[in-house]
Amino acid sequence: DADVTQTPRNRITKTGKRIMLECSQTKGHDRMYWYRQDPGLGLRLIYYSFDVKDINKGEISDGYSVSRQAQAKFSLSLESAIPNQTALYFCATSDPGRRDGGEQFFGPGTRLTVL
Amino acid sequence: GESVGLHLPTLSVQEGDNSIINCAYSNSASDYFIWYKQESGKGPQFIIDIRSNMDKRQGQRVTVLLNKTVKHLSLQIAATQPGDSAVYFCAENMPSGTYKYIFGTGTRLKVLA
Repeated sequence: DADVTQTPRNRITKTGKRIMLECSQTKGHDRMYWYRQDPGLGLRLIYYSFDVKDINKGEISDGYSVSRQAQAKFSLSLESAIPNQTALYFCATSDPGRRDGGEQFFGPGTRLTVL
Repeated sequence: GESVGLHLPTLSVQEGDNSIINCAYSNSASDYFIWYKQESGKGPQFIIDIRSNMDKRQGQRVTVLLNKTVKHLSLQIAATQPGDSAVYFCAENMPSGTYKYIFGTGTRLKVLA
């Protein structure tokens, strides 16, 4: 079984719709992250959370919101989707025991298309 | 996952040869670096890491070299195999205590039979 899972894997939606992407992990990590990946660009951080009560904006948080429902679950919402939010979205976790942040474990990704 | 790699530089290597993939990082104060492999339709997968107090680290068939003077990382893959075909990118850890990373755009490695 995968340690980090994402649902849905693919989604096509229309401009203005509300979309939620979900992430679950069985690694027991406190730290969770949401990234987007676009052609020709590196992964960019949307939001991150170091525990259930801690939510932080990343470099491109506008137009997105998150919810950390439990240690194992971190959801990303697009309140009103727009076409330039078409991208691959990845959830990741990391081990808080490593001072340097350590390796990040990524989910399989969600391909979102906004028409 | 193919669309992510459409605009990336590509390295084509004959099966069995060694591959060298390069990365220029941005912040001279970064103190931890990771190489990831991303296969089509999958999430990034950890390959090897290195801290700034080292200049070389070896794993199984892979070696990472760090040159802090010119802010350069390289990933060497020995005896490249078809299963090594993927997009490879580096990540640097900002030393701000927030455990945030900057990711490179990546290089596509194609292994020729």
